[in-house]
Amino acid sequence: GAVVSQHPSWVICKSGTSVKIECRSLDFQATTMFWYRQFPKQSLMLMATSNEGSKATYEQGVEKDKFLINHASLTLSTLTVTSAHPEDSSFYICSARGELWEQFFGPGTRLTVL
Amino acid sequence: AQSVTQLGSHVSVSEGALVLLRCNYSSSVPPYLFWYVQYPNQGLQLLLKYTTGATLVKGINGFEAEFKKSETSFHLTKPSAHMSDAAEYFCAVSAQAGNQFYFGTGTSLTVIP
Repeated sequence: GAVVSQHPSWVICKSGTSVKIECRSLDFQATTMFWYRQFPKQSLMLMATSNEGSKATYEQGVEKDKFLINHASLTLSTLTVTSAHPEDSSFYICSARGELWEQFFGPGTRLTVL
Repeated sequence: AQSVTQLGSHVSVSEGALVLLRCNYSSSVPPYLFWYVQYPNQGLQLLLKYTTGATLVKGINGFEAEFKKSETSFHLTKPSAHMSDAAEYFCAVSAQAGNQFYFGTGTSLTVIP
């Protein structure tokens, strides 16, 4: 089956630093990847849609200058949280679209900003 | 536009009892519907999906769901709960014309021994 990995799985950083999270489709090519954010005990909220070779499309209310998304290849999308603050602490999950409408989800990255 | 409503943020059942998790959707186009399970600190695992065809969909771990267009529902059921079913369950909808997923707020399932 299709596998999506995320790296790192867990990161702690100081306030004001930037953190990069990678999302890789391991055995298929994904022209479209999605980034979601999940607060504790809450649902997943779509942050942005990432298309290979083009600018990401951000959902309303998501700061594109704070959450930088790069989809440079058909198997890799990155999310960079710039100048992270404690309120950015969350569980970030990516997904990659395979054939038809199925999305394959990564295992998630837990970000803690001190 | 698409949206999902999951009734009941917490559901408790006894081991061996019927599991019923409710999901109602709103969609301006024929929907694609999904149920995912999430264990603590893990990503999402697909339980089952409805795209087209048979309205009763069978998934993994003995779960099934029925798409009822007239009721705009896609409730998840399992005849007999197991302790390992304790987790968070999310219903999601996607439009045919687009591919973003919209998730419900989730239902936390507790299985009582």
